[in-house]
Amino acid sequence: DAKTTQPNSMESNEEEPVHLPCNHSTISGTDYIHWYRQLPSQGPEYVIHGLTSNVNNRMASLAIAEDRKSSTLILHRATLRDAAVYYCILRDISTDKLIFGTGTRLQVFP
Amino acid sequence: GAVVSQHPSWVICKSGTSVKIECRSLDFQATTMFWYRQFPKQSLMLMATSNEGSKATYEQGVEKDKFLINHASLTLSTLTVTSAHPEDSSFYICSAERGATINEKLFFGSGTQLSVL
Repeated sequence: DAKTTQPNSMESNEEEPVHLPCNHSTISGTDYIHWYRQLPSQGPEYVIHGLTSNVNNRMASLAIAEDRKSSTLILHRATLRDAAVYYCILRDISTDKLIFGTGTRLQVFP
Repeated sequence: GAVVSQHPSWVICKSGTSVKIECRSLDFQATTMFWYRQFPKQSLMLMATSNEGSKATYEQGVEKDKFLINHASLTLSTLTVTSAHPEDSSFYICSAERGATINEKLFFGSGTQLSVL
């Protein structure tokens, strides 16, 4: 399974934009880039996913590098409820599995 | 939105007993469900893939006789931890994929905290 690398932790102030980076230099052509987040003592929650083009939804934006070896999850205005562990995951279309890496713990300060 | 219900949310049991955890997709049919385990301050570890009507596929290092998975219907998968021991204490999480479209997003249950005394 292709591997992703994320910073262990990041900090942000409330109402500021947050850019969460993810490196995936071994990504294959059939891997989709998924982002999930997990609040303490809860199951993960879907955030966004994409293949090649940038994606936007009500929660966030996903910017994918042209060579697809990296991506950035953008939270446009962080709130205290956005404090969570954010996982960047490559999902292999052939196996359909979602293999979690270590993720980035995002702290949001008021 | 789609909801996955996991039950119980927490369970305490004695060593040597078996514990069953249920995972239900409430408003969609899930041909595939996944079971994960998470230890404190660690990431989720995929244990097995559960397919409706067929045997589960286990990840390397996961004992299939220890963690029995049954996916008897399109809305229910169960994980039974047999003869549980303290080292099995963990947070167990299920997820379900809606429909047959490849690479749909996954919906996760709220998790089950298992404590084995």
